[in-house]
Amino acid sequence: GAVVSQHPSRVICKSGTSVKIECRSLDFQATTMFWYRQFPKQSLMLMATSNEGSKATYEQGVEKDKFLINHASLTLSTLTVTSAHPEDSSFYICSAGKPSGNTIYFGEGSWLTVV
Amino acid sequence: KQEVTQIPAALSVPEGENLVLNCSFTDSAIYNLQWFRQDPGKGLTSLLLIQSSQREQTSGRLNASLDKSSGRSTLYIAASQPGDSATYLCAVMNSGYSTLTFGKGTMLLVSP
Repeated sequence: GAVVSQHPSRVICKSGTSVKIECRSLDFQATTMFWYRQFPKQSLMLMATSNEGSKATYEQGVEKDKFLINHASLTLSTLTVTSAHPEDSSFYICSAGKPSGNTIYFGEGSWLTVV
Repeated sequence: KQEVTQIPAALSVPEGENLVLNCSFTDSAIYNLQWFRQDPGKGLTSLLLIQSSQREQTSGRLNASLDKSSGRSTLYIAASQPGDSATYLCAVMNSGYSTLTFGKGTMLLVSP
């Protein structure tokens, strides 16, 4: 079964509103989770590294004020797209690795459509 | 900076054919390499994971090889089936990090 769960799988929001995407590790504690974005026909691009109890580390070119990441517990990281615009429409996916291993588990992904 | 390239970008084959997907990476100092499958509108499914010290991994009809020194990996699919139709992604984990660098994928279509 899934070890990383992401919610919602699909969301449609109006331009200018904010939307939150949750990423949960189901049977392990993840001190670090990763958020990716994938545009159509493009590869996954790392947006940020979410660290439990501290600020997220953002990749170059990713606006930290627009993509708010909160990793408040060892099993939950959230990505909030603030003041969303149509160009933010994309596939967002999170991942986490078990502390004891080196396999990365991915959530199911979330399709965001901003209208 | 690690770069991952996948060739071909798209592939269409009749059912039953054996096929090879290619992945190359620029920095050979990798920790491991993974092959994923992505169905339209779905998340990623991990297919095979090869550690940097390994040469190949097999799962059912899938076989992945790794030549770390030359920066190449191949995914071999035997006796392809229509259900194999999906996008296949190659990703490398760089030494010392837990992030992945992905290729753009190969879109595979297996026709009945």
